[in-house]
Amino acid sequence: EVQLVESGGGLVQPGGSLRLSCVASGFTFRQYWMAWVRQAPGKGLEYVDIIDQDDSRERSVASVQGRFTISRDNARNSLWLQMDGLRAEDTATYFCARILLSTDWVFDYWGQGTQVIVSS
Amino acid sequence: DIQMTQSPSSLSASVGDRVTITCRASRDISTQVNWYQKKPGRAPNVLIYSASRLQSGVPSRFSGSSSGTDFTLTISSLQPEDFATYYCQHVYQTPWTFGQGTKVEVK
Repeated sequence: EVQLVESGGGLVQPGGSLRLSCVASGFTFRQYWMAWVRQAPGKGLEYVDIIDQDDSRERSVASVQGRFTISRDNARNSLWLQMDGLRAEDTATYFCARILLSTDWVFDYWGQGTQVIVSS
Repeated sequence: DIQMTQSPSSLSASVGDRVTITCRASRDISTQVNWYQKKPGRAPNVLIYSASRLQSGVPSRFSGSSSGTDFTLTISSLQPEDFATYYCQHVYQTPWTFGQGTKVEVK
């Protein structure tokens, strides 16, 4: 069974940092691209960033460029999101998702999310 | 970046109704659109990929279609478990943006 479990969320002051983790199981992690998606309270889903199998970074959404860094360790079946310079507008539930390539890319499995609150 | 304009933002419907949700892309994106269902407190769930392909395990009352830059998700006969928020997403080029969402509520 495919499982994605996020952790690392919490309350942080503006300007602070957090590192989110996503541990994968039930599939061959190194064969898949992975993604981070977030949802602010009362808002819709927002693409954050994706990463390919070889830890080559893809293009993140403009609002997090220069502040967030996606990375992975295939030996540890782990995906991370380093978040620096946090702002109130980064408050959201952050989901990791597996990316499947069939006829096109699709986010076929998701974790339950970890909540990040940026507030003083 | 490619924008996905989704409509309506919400709708009220009854069990058994036919429901249609639309997304319009800001440019040609072929058929590279996915549809997801999201319920409060739960992870999103993919319904349709490549505009019209039904994800394995998803009920056949869900279908997708496309015409140019317009993409449609149809629920042929709304069931109680279908009250949720639905999102389109393009995967044409990064960033793979989502539509604003459509909340399907009980009428």
